[in-house]
Formats: sequence, C-alpha cells, structure tokens
Amino acid sequence: DIVMTQSPDSLAVSLGERATINCKSSQSILYRFDNKNYLAWYQQRPGQPPKLLIYWASVRESGVPDRFSGSGSGTDFTLTISSLQAEDAALYYCQQYHSGPFTFGPGTKVDIK
Amino acid sequence: QVQLVQSGAEVKKPGSSVRVSCKASGGIFNNYTINWVRQAPGQGPEWMGRIIPAYKTPNSAEKFQGRLTISADEVSSTTYMELSSLTSDDTATYYCARAGYCVDTRCFVRFPFDVWGQGTIVTVSA
Repeated sequence: DIVMTQSPDSLAVSLGERATINCKSSQSILYRFDNKNYLAWYQQRPGQPPKLLIYWASVRESGVPDRFSGSGSGTDFTLTISSLQAEDAALYYCQQYHSGPFTFGPGTKVDIK
Repeated sequence: QVQLVQSGAEVKKPGSSVRVSCKASGGIFNNYTINWVRQAPGQGPEWMGRIIPAYKTPNSAEKFQGRLTISADEVSSTTYMELSSLTSDDTATYYCARAGYCVDTRCFVRFPFDVWGQGTIVTVSA
C-alpha cells in the first residue's frame, strides 16, 4: 500500500497570512502515461464529511476559493492557503488515488492564531 | 447535482454485523462508482472498498476482506455496506463517496471523491 504522510501535524496562522501543508507519498503517484499526479486535498470541518478542494495535485474543484492552491509532483506535494480566512480553520487531508487501496494522510489541523 | 444520503446512527454489540445504506439522488446511479470510507475518532479517513453499480462488482481493501460486503440496488439507487464480526476498533463514522464514472461499458475508478454522504456513526460497545 502507498503510505501518505503529512507535515506539520498542526499549525496556527494569523488571519490573512499564508498556511502551507506538506504531503509525501511512499512511492511516486505520477502516472507516466497521462503525466498526472493522482493526488487530492480535502478540507474537513467538525461533524462534516471531507470536502474536495484540489485534485490532480493542482486543479481546484469548482467553487473552491482561489486562495487554495496545490503543487508538487512525484512524491512531494504542498497545499497552500495564501491568505487565511476564519472559515479555513479545519483539518486538511491529502489522498492518493493512483493505486488501490486509495490511502489518506493522517491530517493537518489548521487553527487561527 | 448528485446527493448521497446515508442511513442513521447504529449501536452494535461486539461480534454482530452492521449494514449502512447510501441512497443517491440527482444523477444517473449507474454512471458512477461508490466508495466506502470510514474515519475512527481523531484519525484520518480509511478507504474500505467500492462498487460499480452498473456491474455490481465490488472491491474491498485487503484489511476488510472476508467481513465486508458491498452491494448495490439499481431500482432504489442505493448502495449498502455491511461489516461483520464487529469489534470496538470498528467504532467510526462511515461515509459513502462518489468517484469516477462509467461510459458505455467502461468504468474509470481512479478519481478523487467529489461527493460525500453525511456520514453514519457506528458505535460498537458491549
């Protein structure tokens, strides 16, 4: 199975500041035949299901604010929130959908400082 | 707009089974794959398995093979997840989630989970 790790476990950022979350896969999730990274980012607020933010490592889901961006390739990926808003306080998970079972990272908690 | 609505919370005894349903509305049931994901308290999500309703072909994570049954009913646009031989480690919130799509006879499953059910809390306690 592909193991997903995330760092940091948690971070506190002031409103309007940048938040950066890292995700690493135990093997490459770049599929060479279509040159796509099979990596998604989700946001989860308490009592809610995860919400898809980013897929193919860098494509924003419809309706997701453009302050959210994803980057990276191969085994190393980053989710950036460029200007943190109060409603962005949540848990964030990365997920690989390259190979079954589709595994998730352990999560990063983002708080407002 | 596809919506997934799950059945209500369950409390089960160790050794018993639980069945959770996931009803789809607002889309063509057979055009998508439905995944089951669980999340234990304070932990990240864990993929359990999927089904392609068009073909009623389930796949399960190796961890759950032998005690996980995923099925689909086209008439009611509902998928079911049944987990047997429950232990306290199975206490979690269980989600269904849509991913991928089918076109004609081909289905593509390697896609992110874009629509989720609201979750069903399953508590296993003596």
